[in-house]
Amino acid sequence: QQQVRQSPQSLTVWEGETAILNCSYEDSTFDYFPWYRLFPGESPALLIAIRPVSNKKEDGRFTIFFNKREKKLSLHITDSQPGDSATYFCAASWGRGGSAKLIFGEGTKLTVSS
Amino acid sequence: NAGVIQTPRHKVTGKGQEATLWCEPISGHSAVFWYRQTIVQGLEFLTYFRNQAPIDDSGMPKERFSAQMPNQSHSTLKIQSTQPQDSAVYLCASSWDWGDYAEQFFGPGTRLTVL
Repeated sequence: QQQVRQSPQSLTVWEGETAILNCSYEDSTFDYFPWYRLFPGESPALLIAIRPVSNKKEDGRFTIFFNKREKKLSLHITDSQPGDSATYFCAASWGRGGSAKLIFGEGTKLTVSS
Repeated sequence: NAGVIQTPRHKVTGKGQEATLWCEPISGHSAVFWYRQTIVQGLEFLTYFRNQAPIDDSGMPKERFSAQMPNQSHSTLKIQSTQPQDSAVYLCASSWDWGDYAEQFFGPGTRLTVL
């Protein structure tokens, strides 16, 4: 049973466009949702995170929109750049983010073409 | 700060052999996590320790996988009688055990190939 699902599996956008990556989850008790970014040959690194008390979290060109009722969230990357090309993982956890295991989605491979 | 250190970076074993993977967490971090990344399953949680104590090993295949954290500076993941389906990138992560947005910092991973 996949508790965190992501779509699409892969996404290609043109430079300057907004990329939208989707994530949904099963367990309503999840209370921390980080997005990790993975460049080829590197380690996953935290990009941005949100907790259900908020419905939006912004950090520069990256914004998470969160819909608790529908158990869905999305990552919007505005003004996409070729350097944003990577695999993006949505994750969820219970309890405090630092000491709880992360349940990852399948990932979305983003390609930004110039 | 060198980040999370994992050794070896690559390991090739024959079917049935044992593999031991090492992780050195970031100094001061009290939580250590092990994950596995495969093409088919994506990123899967295996086990984690808090202050060296095992907290949750619900992701570990029970029969051949074991993990230990004998001191605060390193953790090991041991796979006995390795099988081809164990081939994956094994990732170790560490974090502080406090804070609403405490980040898990990942190491570079160990790529295990079982022939």
